[in-house]
Amino acid sequence: EPEVTQTPSHQVTQMGQEVILRCVPISNHLYFYWYRQILGQKVEFLVSFYNNEISEKSEIFDDQFSVERPDGSNFTLKIRSTKLEDSAMYFCATKGQGTNTGELFFGEGSRLTVL
Amino acid sequence: KQEVTQIPAALSVPEGENLVLNCSFTDSAIYNLQWFRQDPGKGLTSLLLIQSSQREQTSGRLNASLDKSSGRSTLYIAASQPGDSATYLCAVNQYKLSFGAGTTVTVRA
Repeated sequence: EPEVTQTPSHQVTQMGQEVILRCVPISNHLYFYWYRQILGQKVEFLVSFYNNEISEKSEIFDDQFSVERPDGSNFTLKIRSTKLEDSAMYFCATKGQGTNTGELFFGEGSRLTVL
Repeated sequence: KQEVTQIPAALSVPEGENLVLNCSFTDSAIYNLQWFRQDPGKGLTSLLLIQSSQREQTSGRLNASLDKSSGRSTLYIAASQPGDSATYLCAVNQYKLSFGAGTTVTVRA
């Protein structure tokens, strides 16, 4: 069964360091998303990406965050200068259909711990 | 702003009992609603997707209903098993997903 793959599964970093989280979407999926879940809180939307550009972003997704598809397969989330409050589980999700009614498939997540 | 609420927050039942999980949302202008399962420290597994035009969707022992006008969805799990123990999340789709906080289910053997 096709699946969304995320790496690393867990990353520990020092405050102020740059982090890159990687996602390999399901083949032929065109819509990509990042969500995050702070421990004990709801899953919250960060950003959506289609046709090599951001479609929508939340107020959380400030200038320290960026996304790109560097090689046409991977989809990455970069956090330029991590803060303690960036500690969370980050989920990549992808969707195949060209409408708003498609099903989203999530990866297993990347747990980020900022010390 | 869309608000999604799930009640109850936690539920413990003996094996074999049917489960009823509730989800409510404040803005009925949605494309669809997805139910997910999340095991501790793990990702989100999609269980059911119910489109805004549908009233019900079934998969095996799972059945989800949707009443868009009243902003409610219910997930029924028949004949629960210990393997059903997990957190169940509902999420409504308005270009992006808005999630509830989840219902943590424990099925006792």
